[in-house]
Amino acid sequence: ELKVEQNPLFLSMQEGKNYTIYCNYSTTSDRLYWYRQDPGKSLESLFVLLSNGAVKQEGRLMASLDTKARLSTLHITAAVHDLSATYFCAFSYNTDKLIFGTGTRLQVFP
Amino acid sequence: EAGVTQFPSHSVIEKGQTVTLRCDPISGHDNLYWYRRVMGKEIKFLLHFVKESKQDESGMPNNRFLAERTGGTYSTLKVQPAELEDSGVYFCASTRGGRGGTQYFGPGTRLLVL
Repeated sequence: ELKVEQNPLFLSMQEGKNYTIYCNYSTTSDRLYWYRQDPGKSLESLFVLLSNGAVKQEGRLMASLDTKARLSTLHITAAVHDLSATYFCAFSYNTDKLIFGTGTRLQVFP
Repeated sequence: EAGVTQFPSHSVIEKGQTVTLRCDPISGHDNLYWYRRVMGKEIKFLLHFVKESKQDESGMPNNRFLAERTGGTYSTLKVQPAELEDSGVYFCASTRGGRGGTQYFGPGTRLLVL
């Protein structure tokens, strides 16, 4: 079964702290995606990771991929309130359809 | 460039009624996808169009759901008759031609079946 386990489901963190969201997927993947969704808005693409050891960074967010462990992480550095959103990981396998995790709802408080 | 748009943003209908959702992809995007998120669950794939052809409809839940993309531009997803378990958020996404492009999502249609 093609499946993604994402944890934690909810994350409440203080501004300035660091934390990591984990994404385990069930089979060899073509691509691993991270999306962000603000309430009532579209899913916004953050990162696409294509190969083992890939690391991408944008501002306070850094995503990495370990294809051998079938694990991707999204690391948040020195969180700020603007990062409050729901974060989804998803992978594709031999087709274009994306298999999503349940999402991590992140809330950053002062 | 305008993003993916979806209409309506919200729909509340009674069980047994019909609802039609519309998606306008980014101009020039040949690939169009429908996904659905039922409350508290994962976002799940429904189907994929390449231009006007259905490339993959393996995620369509049953024959109450009918998707069309006449002319290869906008797409509609009709639910007839709607059931309570059809409630959720229906997302549309699009990509340019070729495999593996980033899928650009619309804001979704929130469907509530009472």
